[in-house]
Amino acid sequence: SAVISQKPSRDICQRGTSLTIQCQVDSQVTMMFWYRQQPGQSLTLIATANQGSEATYESGFVIDKFPISRPNLTFSTLTVSNMSPEDSSIYLCSIPGPGGYEQYFGPGTRLTVT
Amino acid sequence: KNEVEQSPQNLTAQEGEFITINCSYSVGISALHWLQQHPGGGIVSLFMLSSGKKKHGRLIATINIQEKHSSLHITASHPRDSAVYICAVHGGATNKLIFGTGTLLAVQP
Repeated sequence: SAVISQKPSRDICQRGTSLTIQCQVDSQVTMMFWYRQQPGQSLTLIATANQGSEATYESGFVIDKFPISRPNLTFSTLTVSNMSPEDSSIYLCSIPGPGGYEQYFGPGTRLTVT
Repeated sequence: KNEVEQSPQNLTAQEGEFITINCSYSVGISALHWLQQHPGGGIVSLFMLSSGKKKHGRLIATINIQEKHSSLHITASHPRDSAVYICAVHGGATNKLIFGTGTLLAVQP
């Protein structure tokens, strides 16, 4: 299985600021996924990041709020912009496994917005 | 109604007990996952199923495609099994992962 790391592991941020979360994978992958898990809720897909093209956002998520970069096949960033307390969540990056249905997750970034 | 439902939402067990967590889904699926999430937030994939039964150590996962139901069993539970267990399916119109809300398991010594 792939090794996925995320930075930072946690952060406490003030309202109105932005935070960029990094996701690093130890192998080259075409697709990377970004999820949000609000307190007590299930995971929700924010966007799919393909290298060499614009990210594809799910309903309810927009690029201005969650800009994503995908500069190469092993790395991606998600920025949470102009944060509010409602953005307090765990943010996870994920990649598909070689069979297409397997899924590997990063350790998550726990964000608290005050 | 959620497309993936889990029960129970919360479960407290004594060390050594046999534990069952259930997952029902309402969409056609390609595969079903059981995931484990520890308090720090990281998620580990336990099983991926498309039919039948899988076993790994003290964990057993079963799926009944006709009944659209899966179960995760933990034999001889241990406090280190305490975590949130999440059922997720590859399915629906988009074939993306659809997550249940999770089952919070606490195993007491």
